[in-house]
Amino acid sequence: EAGVVQSPRYKIIEKKQPVAFWCNPISGHNTLYWYLQNLGQGPELLIRYENEEAVDDSQLPKDRFSAERLKGVDSTLKIQPAELGDSAVYLCASSPTGTAEAFFGQGTRLTVV
Amino acid sequence: DAKTTQPTSMDCAEGRAANLPCNHSTISGNEYVYWYRQIHSQGPQYIIHGLKNNETNEMASLIITEDRKSSTLILPHATLRDTAVYYCIVRVPSYGGSQGNLIFGKGTKLSVKP
Repeated sequence: EAGVVQSPRYKIIEKKQPVAFWCNPISGHNTLYWYLQNLGQGPELLIRYENEEAVDDSQLPKDRFSAERLKGVDSTLKIQPAELGDSAVYLCASSPTGTAEAFFGQGTRLTVV
Repeated sequence: DAKTTQPTSMDCAEGRAANLPCNHSTISGNEYVYWYRQIHSQGPQYIIHGLKNNETNEMASLIITEDRKSSTLILPHATLRDTAVYYCIVRVPSYGGSQGNLIFGKGTKLSVKP
């Protein structure tokens, strides 16, 4: 069974440019998470979806970050415009609704220069 | 904010048991205890979870105190590949709102040494 797939694995952009990350969750998983992880820190939740509904986006900086999960499957996370402080690893995870085990992708490492 | 407290780092000799403690003194009755680990440059990996009974699977054992205010993750025979950051999380499995979120703290960096 394929795991959570994220792309790209690495991205380098100049500040003020837009960037987008893509996540394909495990088939049949209704819950999808986006996390941000800074070096040496634990993952920080940005948004959680149940199917296509964002049930918690309270930690998403909505002035520059946006996310969507059309049809309740794939999801994209966008930053526009990117700032130097956005350099981090962006992780996507999915799980069957109501269960504990979340499966994580390998993440996208973003470097803003 | 994370609801758990873990030591920043621990060392363990290869082949010995690794016992990773976690304090969750404010845990509520419907919150489960979960453990994840993150090996360098990879996403977090689920290990085990429990409510109040001790649990065991092929990866580890989870011991939860009777008052549920603390727990211990046990890796019975640690190997070099178990070197990772281990996260203890408390959470209510829930569909809506923020209750169902997986909130990570800083975790414990376990170093398994030859």
